Amino acid sequence: DIQMTQSPSSLSASVGDRVTITCQASQHINNYLNWYQQKAGKAPKLLIHDASNLEIGVPSRFSGSRSGTDFTFTISSLQPEDIATYYCQQYDNVPLTFGGGTKVEI
Amino acid sequence: EVQLLESGGGLEQPGGSLRLSCAASGFTFTSFAMSWVRQAPGKGLEWVSGISGSGAGTYFADSVKGRFTISRDNSKNTLYLQMSSLRADDTAVYYCAKDRSVVGPDYFDYWGQGTLVTVSS
Repeated sequence: DIQMTQSPSSLSASVGDRVTITCQASQHINNYLNWYQQKAGKAPKLLIHDASNLEIGVPSRFSGSRSGTDFTFTISSLQPEDIATYYCQQYDNVPLTFGGGTKVEI
Repeated sequence: EVQLLESGGGLEQPGGSLRLSCAASGFTFTSFAMSWVRQAPGKGLEWVSGISGSGAGTYFADSVKGRFTISRDNSKNTLYLQMSSLRADDTAVYYCAKDRSVVGPDYFDYWGQGTLVTVSS
């Protein structure tokens, strides 16, 4: 199985800060990496697919990039409504696997 | 509007069985693969199983292989997860999720609200 190592597990930042989360795949997964946002008590929401493609309707302050097996998710200017846990997910191979999550707090 | 509505969760004893259902609406059901993703209390997300749009292709996590069966009734726009030989570590909220492609599993653009399965004696 492909392991997704996500870091940090939690972070605290201020409104307006730039926030960066990383996910490292245990093997090459091409661009088959997605990012989700999960607010407390809610279902996850797809933000970015295929490493860097913003889902329709998602604010442009969210972005993603890839370098080899390392993937980066960025919030360019943190907003109060961005408080949530963020997960990466690979689909290069079955079983699909998620990172452990990053809890973002203000 | 895409809607996914799960049902069938509840309390079951270890070794027991449960069947989850997910009623889908607002899209052409047969054109998209579907998956089940679960989340244990206070834990992260775990993909459980997926099925292609036709139902011909099914996929499972190692943790449930041989115990869970996924199926779909395209005439009823409904996805199922038959769970047997339940264990305490199957306790989780189970989400139904719509795949972006017909073959799947890949990524999930719509999710249900989840149904809680508790396995305990």
